[in-house]
Amino acid sequence: DAKTTQPTSMDCAEGRAANLPCNHSTISGNEYVYWYRQIHSQGPQYIIHGLKNNETNEMASLIITEDRKSSTLILPHATLRDTAVYYCIAGRNKLVFGAGTILRVKS
Amino acid sequence: KAGVTQTPRYLIKTRGQQVTLSCSPISGHRSVSWYQQTPGQGLQFLFEYFSETQRNKGNFPGRFSGRQFSNSRSEMNVSTLELGDSALYLCASSLEGSRSGNTIYFGEGSWLTVV
Repeated sequence: DAKTTQPTSMDCAEGRAANLPCNHSTISGNEYVYWYRQIHSQGPQYIIHGLKNNETNEMASLIITEDRKSSTLILPHATLRDTAVYYCIAGRNKLVFGAGTILRVKS
Repeated sequence: KAGVTQTPRYLIKTRGQQVTLSCSPISGHRSVSWYQQTPGQGLQFLFEYFSETQRNKGNFPGRFSGRQFSNSRSEMNVSTLELGDSALYLCASSLEGSRSGNTIYFGEGSWLTVV
């Protein structure tokens, strides 16, 4: 399973788009990119995942570069409730969580 | 539909005891995985079960074990508890696991405190 690298923390103004980057340069062809977030003391919440194509759902958009070595999670209109730890995972047989990015949404 | 359900939510055990945690996956899901989360080590994969068979295993000692029943419900057991086993234990379920690109859903976890 590929290792992922994310910034330790990021700030975002409420109502603006939050763009969370992730590097997964060692990803193999059959490994998916998953994004989860976790608010303290709760189980990780699924956000989105993809293999090659960009994906969008009601929560977020996932942009995967053509070489698949990096991706960006976009929360289009961040709210205070989006403050959480965001995990980017590249895996196939299991999810290997890194330290994630602490996103702070500020009013 | 109901999400992943874990019981108990909170429990306190004494060193040397053993504990069993239970997980009911989302209806129709056949893959169940277990994770341990501690402040020092983060989220770590324990094992995955699919159709009652352990399909994948993380780097944990043999004191950590699990099983899956024919209805896909799963249990994990930790024997001879140590203080370092204090953690949030998370269960995740999906149709066929991450190898198939399925969406994987987590439960709220079981908080274990070992004293």
